[in-house]
Amino acid sequence: ETGVTQTPRHLVMGMTNKKSLKCEQHLGHNAMYWYKQSAKKPLELMFVYSLEERVENNSVPSRFSPECPNSSHLFLHLHTLQPEDSALYLCASSQRYREETQYFGPGTRLLVL
Amino acid sequence: GIQVEQSPPDLILQEGANSTLRCNFSDSVNNLQWFHQNPWGQLINLFYIPSGTKQNGRLSATTVATERYSLLYISSSQTTDSGVYFCAVERNSGAGKSTFGDGTTLTVKP
Repeated sequence: ETGVTQTPRHLVMGMTNKKSLKCEQHLGHNAMYWYKQSAKKPLELMFVYSLEERVENNSVPSRFSPECPNSSHLFLHLHTLQPEDSALYLCASSQRYREETQYFGPGTRLLVL
Repeated sequence: GIQVEQSPPDLILQEGANSTLRCNFSDSVNNLQWFHQNPWGQLINLFYIPSGTKQNGRLSATTVATERYSLLYISSSQTTDSGVYFCAVERNSGAGKSTFGDGTTLTVKP
């Protein structure tokens, strides 16, 4: 248990659906991250929020929309996804942006049909 | 874009053995991290090491930024060290893109 929780743990959605992934951290951290891990591909950093402001957006398609309403919560809103978006989506947090230790949640395994 | 190559891709060790994992990158970077993902998918940040050497227990890492490589040392390996080790680099502070290597899959046998 790392103090970072993610819901749901598994999600199956059609290409026309709209869904949201949720991440919550109970560590008092100020930075939160979304990563994507696809089969047979390296981990990809998608978004970084520091003090509730987005500080990195690594060329992610607009069908992925992050939201950070406060320093403890991070959402990833999904709409009109493609089958190739199926992956494990990992959330992480750290005390400060670029602080040494990132704590990861268990991930949401997403399948797009 | 920047290329990140990790070697070896796979490594099998007997418990108690030492190992060295390597990460080469194709351009100058501002930051470099090592991660461990255990067989259950849990990802742990090991080191944030843009340069120099750091040690944490049986693990240590060295980055030689001028020569564009980093090494992760695991001593007296244990079965719990099994998993995938990723190296990730960032090119520009504040506006950069983090690029991950393909990882080294380590299996430690009892």
